[in-house]
Amino acid sequence: KQEVTQIPAALSVPEGENLVLNCSFTDSAIYNLQWFRQDPGKGLTSLLLIQSSQREQTSGRLNASLDKSSGRSTLYIAASQPGDSATYLCAASRGSEKLVFGKGTKLTVNP
Amino acid sequence: EAGVVQSPRYKIIEKKQPVAFWCNPISGHNTLYWYLQNLGQGPELLIRYENEEAVDDSQLPKDRFSAERLKGVDSTLKIQPAELGDSAVYLCASSQTSGTSVPNEQFFGPGTRLTVL
Repeated sequence: KQEVTQIPAALSVPEGENLVLNCSFTDSAIYNLQWFRQDPGKGLTSLLLIQSSQREQTSGRLNASLDKSSGRSTLYIAASQPGDSATYLCAASRGSEKLVFGKGTKLTVNP
Repeated sequence: EAGVVQSPRYKIIEKKQPVAFWCNPISGHNTLYWYLQNLGQGPELLIRYENEEAVDDSQLPKDRFSAERLKGVDSTLKIQPAELGDSAVYLCASSQTSGTSVPNEQFFGPGTRLTVL
């Protein structure tokens, strides 16, 4: 059974800081690793998807990496801004099967 | 391009009452998912459809929950009767899963926040 863990549960940083969010998973037989952002009271916004054949994906100030052998993914946020404050969730899946989510990291970026 | 649409956004009901949630997936997406998200937790799958067929409903409490996806497009999730513990956010997601080269990225709707009193 796949289990996904995210560390830390909460993170508070000053504006402009670079930061890393961590995600680990127990079953390395995944097809995709997807990172989401969730604002309070809102649904999930897909940020990045890394296929099992890839090692990283980049979108703007975001960079996500995947190491299947160690069961880890990281989300790197460069030059953080107050608008980046949200909960970040990672999820692993095997193709079209269900996403298995971590509990998320709540990020606060202070002006 | 329109995203996943869900309604209602909020619902407050008394326990033992029935409730229904509706989802319209992204056009062309053949796979539809219903997830349940409790406060402070990640979403958990309730049911997955591929076209009209429910291919994974192992986590759906079938004594009170039911779902349908007629014509392989819109879907409805129903709870009857609702219990206090059903208070949560119900999320619908969709993806395009035809072909091995497609990454199967899932896109989520805004969710329905259910409160059972």
